Amino acid sequence: DGGITQSPKYLFRKEGQNVTLSCEQNLNHDAMYWYRQDPGQGLRLIYYSQIVNDFQKGDIAEGYSVSREKKESFPLTVTSAQKNPTAFYLCASSPREGRSYNSPLHFGNGTRLTVT
Amino acid sequence: GDSVTQMEGPVTLSEEAFLTINCTYTATGYPSLFWYVQYPGEGLQLLLKATKADDKGSNKGFEATYRKETTSFHLEKGSVQVSDSAVYFCALGGQGGKLIFGQGTELSVKP
Repeated sequence: DGGITQSPKYLFRKEGQNVTLSCEQNLNHDAMYWYRQDPGQGLRLIYYSQIVNDFQKGDIAEGYSVSREKKESFPLTVTSAQKNPTAFYLCASSPREGRSYNSPLHFGNGTRLTVT
Repeated sequence: GDSVTQMEGPVTLSEEAFLTINCTYTATGYPSLFWYVQYPGEGLQLLLKATKADDKGSNKGFEATYRKETTSFHLEKGSVQVSDSAVYFCALGGQGGKLIFGQGTELSVKP
């Protein structure tokens, strides 16, 4: 079955360490996204990529970095510069449809990151 | 900029009660509108969508109608079940391939 795999489901790190969250999709989607979810705040866009080797900052990119070397993979690195990294991180993908957006997103099951 | 506002939760209902979760939006142009559902510990799943004014999206007994005149996309279900307990997100398709979410509304259905 096609889908999006995020690993691990739970991740624990010490403050000051960088950590990379994995996201892999086998849906052959061009676009991939990273969202952060905090209680009561909905989802906020961190980074997105509409094509391999290209990505754009979302609304809360500071303290994060991404790469898109392969179509199926979009890893997110949470750096030590992120002031409040503990959150639930969701990866998503969709077919690219030009400048307007009509396709729904397909989500992974998320990674819960706890930094102490 | 574009934005989505949902009614605050949590919403607690008895089984078989009628559900409405309000969603209003601000956007330039005519974006597609979506409802997503998130069950505990999982990612979001698309529940329904509407791509133009007066469209009605429906799925699993849930419905929502794209109302341009009131800039709304309220989610309704005639008879909720315990299994409908989840967090519901309203979203709109913004320019540049971005999806803009509301803050989510938690629904709890009691037997």
